[in-house]
Amino acid sequence: DGGITQSPKYLFRKEGQNVTLSCEQNLNHDAMYWYRQDPGQGLRLIYYSQIVNDFQKGDIAEGYSVSREKKESFPLTVTSAQKNPTAFYLCASLGAATSGYTFGSGTRLTVV
Amino acid sequence: SQKIEQNSEALNIQEGKTATLTCNYTNYSPAYLQWYRQDPGRGPVFLLLIRENEKEKRKERLKVTFDTTLKQSLFHITASQPADSATYLCALRTRMETGTASKLTFGTGTRLQVTL
Repeated sequence: DGGITQSPKYLFRKEGQNVTLSCEQNLNHDAMYWYRQDPGQGLRLIYYSQIVNDFQKGDIAEGYSVSREKKESFPLTVTSAQKNPTAFYLCASLGAATSGYTFGSGTRLTVV
Repeated sequence: SQKIEQNSEALNIQEGKTATLTCNYTNYSPAYLQWYRQDPGRGPVFLLLIRENEKEKRKERLKVTFDTTLKQSLFHITASQPADSATYLCALRTRMETGTASKLTFGTGTRLQVTL
């Protein structure tokens, strides 16, 4: 079945550590996105990529980094510079411009 | 500033009734408006898209209206069922500029609870 796979489902990070969240899609979509969701808030855009080897900052990119070396993969690194990383992270992809986004099942990151 | 507003209070309705959720926006010129369903601990699932030049779109028990004058969209679920209980998110995509990607801005969502 085509879709987006995010891993791990749960992730615990110690203070000062960098962690990388995985996002893989087999939908052959060009565009991919990372959103962050906090309780009571809407999804906020972190980074997005239209095409391989190209990506742009979203609304809350500080403390995060991404790469897009393959069409299928768009990993997100949460760096130690991100002051409040505890959140639910969602990866999405988009095929046709007039279609909806396809989301993964999310990664819940907790700082311990 | 740009804002998308959905009722933050949960909507509780009885099974079989029609649920109506509201999405209001300011300072946007959206090309598309979309509705998603999100269950606890899961990613949102796309339901419907409506274009700026469309007034209404239907899909099975779902109906979306889009009024660009009022800057409002209404999302209706007819003959609601307990399985419809979830959080519903609206999202706007503004007109694309040359060379920029399509990106959506989401509202905070409204939780719907359908009881027997």
